[in-house]
Amino acid sequence: GENVEQHPSTLSVQEGDSAVIKCTYSDSASNYFPWYKQELGKRPQLIIDIRSNVGEKKDQRIAVTLNKTAKHFSLHITETQPEDSAVYFCAAYTSGTYKYIFGTGTRLKVLA
Amino acid sequence: NAGVTQTPKFQVLKTGQSMTLQCAQDMNHEYMSWYRQDPGMGLRLIHYSVGAGITDQGEVPNGYNVSRSTTEDFPLRLLSAAPSQTSVYFCASSQTGASGGNEQFFGPGTRLTVL
Repeated sequence: GENVEQHPSTLSVQEGDSAVIKCTYSDSASNYFPWYKQELGKRPQLIIDIRSNVGEKKDQRIAVTLNKTAKHFSLHITETQPEDSAVYFCAAYTSGTYKYIFGTGTRLKVLA
Repeated sequence: NAGVTQTPKFQVLKTGQSMTLQCAQDMNHEYMSWYRQDPGMGLRLIHYSVGAGITDQGEVPNGYNVSRSTTEDFPLRLLSAAPSQTSVYFCASSQTGASGGNEQFFGPGTRLTVL
């Protein structure tokens, strides 16, 4: 079945440094790739997304890159701040199946 | 708009009991879904629906039933609760579009414990 692998499971960075989280998906027909941030005890919320016809998208300190050939996509956070500390989830959506498949999450800690 | 609402927020069941987790949205979204969240396992899709009257199985459907009689509501039924169903359950909704997926809006979650 469809699968999304996410690495690393935990990531600690110093405030001001960059953080990179990587995901690999299995279904080559996947065409939409969102990233969600979940703070402790809260619901997941979308922070950025990318469609398969785009290679990169940026929103202030956050960017996502997509390599369709390798079936990889990555989240880049620059100039990290303590409020970036949370769990981040990637997901892949396939129009033909209408399924969103999530990765297992990355716990990001930004050390002040 | 209330967005996506879920009830109850917390629930404790005994093994073998049944119950229904309620989910409603007021955004006129066609797509609704249920996930369970367990430590280290991310969000796993239980069931989903692309519109009223249409439901389908996700990654982990066993032990759960759903129905979608209206656009607004998507209840999840546990038929005979088991300790393995102890989890946090999230309902989500989104628009469906010809170009593919869209942002999912999540409810606040239901924390379920099965003893």
